[in-house]
Amino acid sequence: QPALTQPRSVSGSLGQSLTISCTGSSSDVGGYDFVSWYQTHPGRAPRLLIYDVSKRPSGVPDRFSGSKSGNTASLTISGLQPDDESEYFCCSYAPWTVFGPGTTVTVL
Amino acid sequence: QVHLVESGGGLVKPGGSLRLSCVASGFTFSDYYMSWIRQAPGKGLEFVSYISAFGGTKYYGDSVKGRFTISRDNATNSLFLQMNSLRADDTAAYYCARVGLTAAGAVIKAFDSWGQGTLVTVSS
Repeated sequence: QPALTQPRSVSGSLGQSLTISCTGSSSDVGGYDFVSWYQTHPGRAPRLLIYDVSKRPSGVPDRFSGSKSGNTASLTISGLQPDDESEYFCCSYAPWTVFGPGTTVTVL
Repeated sequence: QVHLVESGGGLVKPGGSLRLSCVASGFTFSDYYMSWIRQAPGKGLEFVSYISAFGGTKYYGDSVKGRFTISRDNATNSLFLQMNSLRADDTAAYYCARVGLTAAGAVIKAFDSWGQGTLVTVSS
């Protein structure tokens, strides 16, 4: 199964915005609108932030947004808060389910 | 409120077996596909397996195919993962996760609720 790529780490200042990329191929990210994003904290259950590229589940703040261009999906976090310091994973659900390697976000 | 609680993890020798369980509450379990996803120490998330609402369809990641078996019991709101021929690289936290549904009942291709995980360590 082909891999998705994400930057290892990204940082941003309190209150600012940052974007995490997730690059696949035309066979997965580029070919389907089934990209989701997850936030993980040690000791906590992972949390779904975005599904179907840009949809937010109820309860997820609109500071989190998703988009896609070609074979690259993106997660943007605006108005960075201290609790946003986490690891973030993208996932392509089709044609097979594969996760990206994760991006560590640091809030400066 | 959706609640998923995993159990059954522990220390096992290479070649051994383990059975994980996940008990669900707060939703109609038999309406949902369910999955197992794992995270090895210091590594990313890895899809392990999913099972359809009534168990008729099962899918496995390449690294566990032929060794792991997913099953469910809708009468007790339980999901299981039978893990055989365990290897050191199966060491991970194993999460039970629900595959989402829209309000209209269509499957959302994402995992909308997760448990806290159960740790499996394969070591001699």
